[in-house]
Amino acid sequence: DTGVSQDPRHKITKRGQNVTFRCDPISEHNRLYWYRQTLGQGPEFLTYFQNEAQLEKSRLLSDRFSAERPKGSFSTLEIQRTEQGDSAMYLCASSDDRYYEQYFGPGTRLTVT
Amino acid sequence: GQNIDQPTEMTATEGAIVQINCTYQTSGFNGLFWYQQHAGEAPTFLSYNVLDGLEEKGRFSSFLSRSKGYSYLLLKELQMKDSASYLCAVPSGNTPLVFGKGTRLSVIA
Repeated sequence: DTGVSQDPRHKITKRGQNVTFRCDPISEHNRLYWYRQTLGQGPEFLTYFQNEAQLEKSRLLSDRFSAERPKGSFSTLEIQRTEQGDSAMYLCASSDDRYYEQYFGPGTRLTVT
Repeated sequence: GQNIDQPTEMTATEGAIVQINCTYQTSGFNGLFWYQQHAGEAPTFLSYNVLDGLEEKGRFSSFLSRSKGYSYLLLKELQMKDSASYLCAVPSGNTPLVFGKGTRLSVIA
């Protein structure tokens, strides 16, 4: 297994555009998590899935953000009408039911100009 | 809510021992985690403590005191490659993990 992968690794977009990120978890993991991290801060939880069910969403996840995991495998995170404040590293992680050990992907760095 | 405090930065010498502290406040406790994050990379899991005491794993050890809401990560025989941010994290309510801001450790020769 090659671990958690994320695509793209970098994304530069203009304010107001929509962007979509993809995460492929470790294949046998049924839990998938999205975090956002800005410079000098720890990762901030956004949302997570168990299989295809979205179980929890942070208050940070405004209505411009939506995440899906339609078949319980890969997940997408979409940000609509991007704002400069959305510039951050978006991290995906996965785990099995013993959720305490989460494996992180390399992240997607978003820059909104 | 969840409050996690850890020092922002620390500097230590190669070959030395360093202790990184973390204090937390939580209404229900389900374990405490330490992650390592090198600059520009993803966090990697280091340790998980759910019971009081010290857990040793090679050069790294992690200690927990639930009554004091306190943990520390102990790094021995420091190497230059240990320069990284060290993140303390706890589950909180329905949130799988709440992270502290991290402690940036610089190892100098």
